[in-house]
This record gives sequence, C-alpha cells and structure tokens, in this order.
Amino acid sequence: GAVVSQHPSWVICKSGTSVKIECRSLDFQATTMFWYRQFPKQSLMLMATSNEGSKATYEQGVEKDKFLINHASLTLSTLTVTSAHPEDSSFYICSASTSRKKGEQFFGPGTRLTVL
Amino acid sequence: SQQGEEDPQALSIQEGENATMNCSYKTSINNLQWYRQNSGRGLVHLILIRSNEREKHSGRLRVTLDTSKKSSSLLITASRAADTASYFCATATNQAGTALIFGKGTTLSVSS
Repeated sequence: GAVVSQHPSWVICKSGTSVKIECRSLDFQATTMFWYRQFPKQSLMLMATSNEGSKATYEQGVEKDKFLINHASLTLSTLTVTSAHPEDSSFYICSASTSRKKGEQFFGPGTRLTVL
Repeated sequence: SQQGEEDPQALSIQEGENATMNCSYKTSINNLQWYRQNSGRGLVHLILIRSNEREKHSGRLRVTLDTSKKSSSLLITASRAADTASYFCATATNQAGTALIFGKGTTLSVSS
C-alpha cells in the first residue's frame, strides 16, 4: 500500500517551454502533497506544500509563478515548470501524506527534467 | 530549509566492513527516517524511528536516536558492494501535514 507514481519519469524540453509533472497517490487519499527538487550530488530541497483544494505554500526562494502547483483532488497534484530554462534542469520528487499515518510520507520515483 | 546535517559527507569502505553514518538535527521531532538513493534514482525508505524509541533494527541496519543530543546514527553491518549509494536522514515534526526535512546526505562507496 501507499504507492505514489510520477509521470513522466524523464522529460527533455527546449528552453522557454512549459513542462507539467503529475504526482498520483494510487491506493490512498493524500491530504497533503509535497514537491522537492534535487540538484546533482545534493540533497532534496522542499519547494512547496500543497493541500487538496487550496493554494500551495511555497518555500522561501521558490517562485510561485514559475512553479505552478495544482492539487485538484486527493489523489493528484501537478507541478508545471513554466518558461523552463537550463538552470531548472533537476530531479523533481513528489511525496504524499495521509492523515491516517502521521509523520510518514510516501515518495514518488522522481522526474528527471532536462532543459536544453 | 534543511535541518539535518550528516557526517561524514563521503565514506569509502571495503566489503564486509561496517559503515556508520551520523545525522544531527535542530528542532523537536515526531520521528526520524533514513533513506537510500542510488545514483539518479528515487528514494528507498529504509527505517523510521519515533521520538520515543532509542534503537531500531532492520536486517543489517541498526538505527539509534538520541533526542537529548538531537542526533541519530545509521549502522550498516557487513557491507556489500550493493550498499553503495547516498544515504539521507529526514526528520518529521509533530505538526500534521508538514514536510520531511532532509539532511545533506552521506555518499557511501563499498568496494569489493
């Protein structure tokens, strides 16, 4: 149980285009979803926290107009990288939590974004 | 912001040896978790230890938690080449719906 999927697993795009990444909880309802970014040889940095039906809370330094997060249902959150640039190339990982398992998060497999 | 700090940053050992990684954190926690990540891959959850626990075992893994020192250690016994990966600690607070905060990680290399 508690499986989280991400789609796509990798994407290559041209500079200036927008890319949407989906994060789904497959067998549970995720009250909260989190988006992390990981640059090569670095740790995971939290980008934003989203609760179903409300606006995401962004961490300091993360541009909300550039990284659009939508959490339309209890099983789906999307991250859209708008007008992507090479410096946005990174590994994006989502996680989901449920109120039934306090303090635990379930991670998706990650999406590798490469912006040319 | 990251609150976990791990040491060492990198560790190289021979197969069969034990590997110990340490993690320190700054605020009160509900639990602390250890993850493994192979290069370019997703996270693999290894073990979770709650704030009222002091030690936990899982196979060749042993985790300790000292809340008075705000620190944890991960011991991998009888290491194998397949244990080569990055290891991260992550802390969860008592507040519902808050994210895990990750440490900087330890890169472990096990040579045969």
